Amino acid sequence: DVKVTQSSRYLVKRTGEKVFLECVQDMDHENMFWYRQDPGLGLRLIYFSYDVKMKEKGDIPEGYSVSREKKERFSLILESASTNQTSMYLCASSSAGTGINEQYFGPGTRLTVT
Amino acid sequence: GESVGLHLPTLSVQEGDNSIINCAYSNSASDYFIWYKQESGKGPQFIIDIRSNMDKRQGQRVTVLLNKTVKHLSLQIAATQPGDSAVYFCAEKSGGSNYKLTFGKGTLLTVNP
Repeated sequence: DVKVTQSSRYLVKRTGEKVFLECVQDMDHENMFWYRQDPGLGLRLIYFSYDVKMKEKGDIPEGYSVSREKKERFSLILESASTNQTSMYLCASSSAGTGINEQYFGPGTRLTVT
Repeated sequence: GESVGLHLPTLSVQEGDNSIINCAYSNSASDYFIWYKQESGKGPQFIIDIRSNMDKRQGQRVTVLLNKTVKHLSLQIAATQPGDSAVYFCAEKSGGSNYKLTFGKGTLLTVNP
């Protein structure tokens, strides 16, 4: 089974702190994604990576950066956390190809910024 | 821009009944659609997919119908069980994007015993 793991289930940080969210997948997937999920807004794409060291901005990249130094690991960085970044963060991965590339999700990290 | 939305935010059914969850989309150039289930405290899980050149696809107790004329997608769950209680999302993969999915906002399905 595909497994996507996230470093923390719950995280509480203070405004202005630098926050790292880690994601690891074990299926040798080329693509990895970071979403945030908020009530009434659904899943919104923050960043997407299609290869090591490659990244693309999603719909809401402001205030975030990402790092992909190894194929299995995709990190989301909040340079200076703010209260409006309190949210559920979901990581996903998928293969690359001509077929249907479903995304496999991790369990999520609920981040609270106080 | 493209959008994927749902007709109803909540749906409550009795155990054993059939459930129908609807989804509207606006992008005509979609490659495929995926339905996800998200249980409380967990990440979304794949249920079933359908390519845009199909009208219907069946899985175990689930059927997805695609009506391209009215840009409508539905997920039917037969003999709904308490374990089916979750939020259900439809997601669309458009031809112009690199593996990115656009997600609907979700429908909360509650199954009453």
